[in-house]
Amino acid sequence: AQKITQTQPGMFVQEKEAVTLDCTYDTSDQSYGLFWYKQPSSGEMIFLIYQGSYDEQNATEGRYSLNFQKARKSANLVISASQLGDSAMYFCAMREGRRSSASKIIFGSGTRLSIRP
Amino acid sequence: GAVVSQHPSWVICKSGTSVKIECRSLDFQATTMFWYRQFPKQSLMLMATSNEGSKATYEQGVEKDKFLINHASLTLSTLTVTSAHPEDSSFYICSAKRGLDTEAFFGQGTRLTVV
Repeated sequence: AQKITQTQPGMFVQEKEAVTLDCTYDTSDQSYGLFWYKQPSSGEMIFLIYQGSYDEQNATEGRYSLNFQKARKSANLVISASQLGDSAMYFCAMREGRRSSASKIIFGSGTRLSIRP
Repeated sequence: GAVVSQHPSWVICKSGTSVKIECRSLDFQATTMFWYRQFPKQSLMLMATSNEGSKATYEQGVEKDKFLINHASLTLSTLTVTSAHPEDSSFYICSAKRGLDTEAFFGQGTRLTVV
């Protein structure tokens, strides 16, 4: 069964608008972590934001915020005031179990975000 | 943040030959590294977990004799694609975690083309 689901293969957004990228997940663990990574055309994976399952506050990092709804098992990424440089693939990812150096991270199928000038 | 360096960034090889890809953690020690494979316009699929000083743990469906992983030191893991075929052409990317850091740090990736 798919653990991470991103239902939006692609999105077009006008520059300076806010955008929400959807992510739902499935796990039976009580302790887990959720990530968002950005992958530009160069291929590198850029870490954006992290949310732990026990974190009560939604994570924020600059223009990025994570809308964590635990009961619904969703972890949507919100990008405020989008910029042309935000155009990239965005992956939602999850670590199951307690945080450790050996814990695996699995990825969703990704959303290609394109920002229109 | 921590730096993970992957080499080469791209390689073209002939069918039937073997290719080695290196993944180095430059400023931290990584007892565990992870190897992913990414087909064009698709997600990252975890291939294996590389453990320093012991055998790698492969994900279901990944041929361990085809994709040899060696984690010789706390800063270096290598992935060797043996007897490469055109269907092995893909983007291979490694990652490592620094202790209990929440995020994983990724290498730049290696684009392998088998002709």
